[in-house]
Amino acid sequence: NAGVTQTPKFRILKIGQSMTLQCAQDMNHNYMYWYRQDPGMGLKLIYYSVGAGITDKGEVPNGYNVSRSTTEDFPLRLELAAPSQTSVYFCASSSRGGLNTEAFFGQGTRLTVV
Amino acid sequence: AQSVTQPDIHITVSEGASLELRCNYSYGATPYLFWYVQSPGQGLQLLLKYFSGDTLVQGIKGFEAEFKRSQSSFNLRKPSVHWSDAAEYFCAVLYNNNDMRFGAGTRLTVKP
Repeated sequence: NAGVTQTPKFRILKIGQSMTLQCAQDMNHNYMYWYRQDPGMGLKLIYYSVGAGITDKGEVPNGYNVSRSTTEDFPLRLELAAPSQTSVYFCASSSRGGLNTEAFFGQGTRLTVV
Repeated sequence: AQSVTQPDIHITVSEGASLELRCNYSYGATPYLFWYVQSPGQGLQLLLKYFSGDTLVQGIKGFEAEFKRSQSSFNLRKPSVHWSDAAEYFCAVLYNNNDMRFGAGTRLTVKP
């Protein structure tokens, strides 16, 4: 009963490096989301996807890219890491109707850019 | 501007005491409102949600919340707090099907 799985759990990047945060769900959910959580700021939506092949920007998309080639996977790509991208990243998924149904969250990836 | 405000950054209560966490929102239409809980090192878990109807909604783990349109509030309550309730609590408003805005969170500490 895996739910939403994020890898890695922790990562330290140097400025200018790139990396991909992985997210996979086994609930056959169409909707998937990436959020970042900064201290004292709550969660902010980076990108979301309503199905394979369809993605769209959220509130804070700059510096990130996503793809959705399968229903299960929704990777988040950082091309040129910057200190401002130090944060905790959460992936979430939901079934029909988007976020007005229950969203299931992964355990998060803590990223530090130095 | 659309926003969610949780006025209390940190609250400490004794085990067995009652709890109220405050949430205020700014939104022009009838809001869809949520409370999520985040235990240390974990993702967020849905406690309860309000879409319409009865303004007092029941959730999991003995939590309830009351929607007050006149005060633009959706406060979370629990009559008797358990040590396992120590966590961070987030209020959220759904602005469209795919855009949920979260408050900054309230961290709850439970004293023995």
